[in-house]
Amino acid sequence: AQKVTQAQTEISVVEKEDVTLDCVYETRDTTYYLFWYKQPPSGELVFLIRRNSFDEQNEISGRYSWNFQKSTSSFNFTITASQVVDSAVYFCAPAGDNFNKFYFGSGTKLNVKP
Amino acid sequence: DAGITQSPRYKITETGRQVTLMCHQTWSHSYMFWYRQDLGHGLRLIYYSAAADITDKGEVPDGYVVSRSKTENFPLTLESATRSQTSVYFCASSESRGWYGYTFGSGTRLTVV
Repeated sequence: AQKVTQAQTEISVVEKEDVTLDCVYETRDTTYYLFWYKQPPSGELVFLIRRNSFDEQNEISGRYSWNFQKSTSSFNFTITASQVVDSAVYFCAPAGDNFNKFYFGSGTKLNVKP
Repeated sequence: DAGITQSPRYKITETGRQVTLMCHQTWSHSYMFWYRQDLGHGLRLIYYSAAADITDKGEVPDGYVVSRSKTENFPLTLESATRSQTSVYFCASSESRGWYGYTFGSGTRLTVV
């Protein structure tokens, strides 16, 4: 089974600041997958990004980027030039090789103030 | 409309009563899941199903029962509701093995009094 730690319970930033959300995971699987989900105040859960454990290339997609470091078991998510609409709870979710079961972290609440 | 729908959106029930939360998806996804969300715990997996008539326990299955007689439906039953089962319940589905991520329903807020 996977475990995930999102040490930041709540973060507050001012609009246009960059913010990084931390995620540290534990797994015994040699192949695994990592996901980030967003839950805005309206309550729905929205899939954001995924990575394979064998692909450590970091990527940027618009204002989002992620830093996957297998050596430290971290999968951090960065929002550049944050906006008020980014205010939400963000969940990191690792899944094992048999990745029909996602294990979610406790989430990080991001408050972006105007 | 296509998608995944949960009903009811809100439910108040009394301790000891049986209550069923419904989940219906129109994509014919093989996999379906039930999670509960509580403050400080994130989302915890209750039960999941890989196909019709195939179900398995997640992290917190005690006090819950599921069935999946049809691919599109995955009801969750609380046999004898307790206050500790007050939570927001999310149903999700995925094709293949979840590589494309889950699609979640809107959630059911259940209060047990």
